[in-house]
Amino acid sequence: SAVISQKPSRDICQRGTSLTIQCQVDSQVTMMFWYRQQPGQSLTLIATANQGSEATYESGFVIDKFPISRPNLTFSTLTVSNMSPEDSSIYLCSVPGQGGNTIYFGEGSWLTVV
Amino acid sequence: EDKVVQSPLSLVVHEGDTVTLNCSYEVTNFRSLLWYKQEKKAPTFLFMLTSSGIEKKSGRLSSILDKKELFSILNITATQTGDSAVYLCAVGFNTNAGKSTFGDGTTLTVKP
Repeated sequence: SAVISQKPSRDICQRGTSLTIQCQVDSQVTMMFWYRQQPGQSLTLIATANQGSEATYESGFVIDKFPISRPNLTFSTLTVSNMSPEDSSIYLCSVPGQGGNTIYFGEGSWLTVV
Repeated sequence: EDKVVQSPLSLVVHEGDTVTLNCSYEVTNFRSLLWYKQEKKAPTFLFMLTSSGIEKKSGRLSSILDKKELFSILNITATQTGDSAVYLCAVGFNTNAGKSTFGDGTTLTVKP
């Protein structure tokens, strides 16, 4: 499986500010995925980050709130903009496993908005 | 709408017990069913199931898929306190390799 590194691991953010989360993979992948897990809830897909094209957002998520960059096949960033306490979550970067049947996750970034 | 439902939502057992976790799904373009264990932050991969009736095993954990009845079970035998975690079931899709819909998880607590 791929090794996926995320930064920051944890942060406390002020309401109204923005934070960018970085995701680095040790191998080239066509697609990377960003998930959110709010406290006590399961994982929800935010968007698919495609190299060379715009990210594809799931219903309920918009580019203005969660802009994504994908400058190359091993790196992506997710920005959480104009944060509110409702954005307090674990944000997880993931990549498909070989054959596309599985997905593997980074260590996650735990954001608390105060 | 694609749906993945896990039961029970939570479970408390004692060390040595055997537990069965359930996952049912209603999705289009089914590709695979995945089980994960989540202890702190990131879910760690347990099993991938694509074919009915073929049991996957890893130590005390095993899982099987029924594509006709649209469910899967995860069994843990001789439970240990280290098995305490949230167990997540997810379904992957043919239309987007790697994209998955997750269930709400089963929180397992194993008491000494």
